[in-house]
Amino acid sequence: ETGVTQSPTHLIKTRGQQVTLRCSSQSGHNTVSWYQQALGQGPQFIFQYYREEENGRGNFPPRFSGLQFPNYSSELNVNALELDDSALYLCASSTLDRNYGYTFGSGTRLTVV
Amino acid sequence: DAKTTQPPSMDCAEGRAANLPCNHSTISGNEYVYWYRQIHSQGPQYIIHGLKNNETNEMASLIITEDRKSSTLILPHATLRDTAVYYCIVRVQNTGNQFYFGTGTSLTVIP
Repeated sequence: ETGVTQSPTHLIKTRGQQVTLRCSSQSGHNTVSWYQQALGQGPQFIFQYYREEENGRGNFPPRFSGLQFPNYSSELNVNALELDDSALYLCASSTLDRNYGYTFGSGTRLTVV
Repeated sequence: DAKTTQPPSMDCAEGRAANLPCNHSTISGNEYVYWYRQIHSQGPQYIIHGLKNNETNEMASLIITEDRKSSTLILPHATLRDTAVYYCIVRVQNTGNQFYFGTGTSLTVIP
């Protein structure tokens, strides 16, 4: 059973650019969530996808968008990057069953300069 | 959005039990309590979860009060490798049942 894998592990972008982060869910999971973790803070929920549709969103602007594919892999896209977008971006997969936890990837470290 | 509160930091002597408290006074009847830990900005690692009853696994024990408004994670014999940030999370009851993290407790195990 493979876990959650994310790519790339590190990324440097310039303010105003766009970025795409990728995630492969754990086998058997149909739900994927994305989190942003700024230095010294807890992970902040960005949004969640279930069966290729967004089914929950945190307090993030529309320039944060995502996709989930039929094989349950996922992308996080961020447009018009700002310096404050510098963070660790975590992907987590699960099922909708509340008696089932999330499996997290190791994250992508994004630096915006 | 977080439904939990935890002390920001704690110390524990190596070999002793580490007891990490969490308040979740607004928890709903069928919402589960989860504990995760995060080491050096790696991805959070699952520890344990429960609904009403106390739970134990190879890593830890989870004690949930009868009114379910608080819980305690117990690491029975803390080692230096247990130094991490520990998050208590309530899996929110809504259409997506998402996780909302709080600020966590930074546990330092002292030799």
